[in-house]
Amino acid sequence: TQLLEQSPQFLSIQEGENLTVYCNSSSVFSSLQWYRQEPGEGPVLLVTVVTGGEVKKLKRLTFQFGDARKDSSLHITAAQPGDTGLYLCAGEDYGGSQGNLIFGKGTKLSVKP
Amino acid sequence: NAGVTQTPKFQVLKTGQSMTLQCAQDMNHNSMYWYRQDPGMGLRLIYYSASEGTTDKGEVPNGYNVSRLNKREFSLRLESAAPSQTSVYFCASRARGTDTQYFGPGTRLTVL
Repeated sequence: TQLLEQSPQFLSIQEGENLTVYCNSSSVFSSLQWYRQEPGEGPVLLVTVVTGGEVKKLKRLTFQFGDARKDSSLHITAAQPGDTGLYLCAGEDYGGSQGNLIFGKGTKLSVKP
Repeated sequence: NAGVTQTPKFQVLKTGQSMTLQCAQDMNHNSMYWYRQDPGMGLRLIYYSASEGTTDKGEVPNGYNVSRLNKREFSLRLESAAPSQTSVYFCASRARGTDTQYFGPGTRLTVL
């Protein structure tokens, strides 16, 4: 069974601080996605990383896929209150043809002004 | 385009009651999914449908049934609700050949 472990589970920081969220597994994934979910809404895709070692940037967010495609990280620079939410990583089942995703348990981020 | 819509938004059931959660997408996507989200558990796949006319079990299918009514609609049925099924249920869809799943706003279900 493929599992994705996210850490930390909770993170409360002040506006302007930097933070990193980790997503780790012992399994290899075809790709890894990061979603952001706000209270009362469904998750929304932020980015997909496919190639081992790949780095993608989305404004102040930097996503990295591990060389072995077993782990990923999300780094936020100068966090803002608008970054508050639940961040979920999800891996696409390696070799799977259905596009099914395995989700981590999420990191709940709170950015205080 | 409305994207993925779900009804109802909230529901309270008594143990043993049945109900159907509705999901529809207007993006002409082939694949559709039902997840449940519980505190500290992330999203867990209940059932999915890779294309119209096919359905398959996910990680936690017990106590649920699904119907892919047509390409647009994918419903989730609880035949005899149990308190353990108290959760937030999300429907999602995905176009063939892409990796993005689009999620609906969720149905918050409480079983007393």
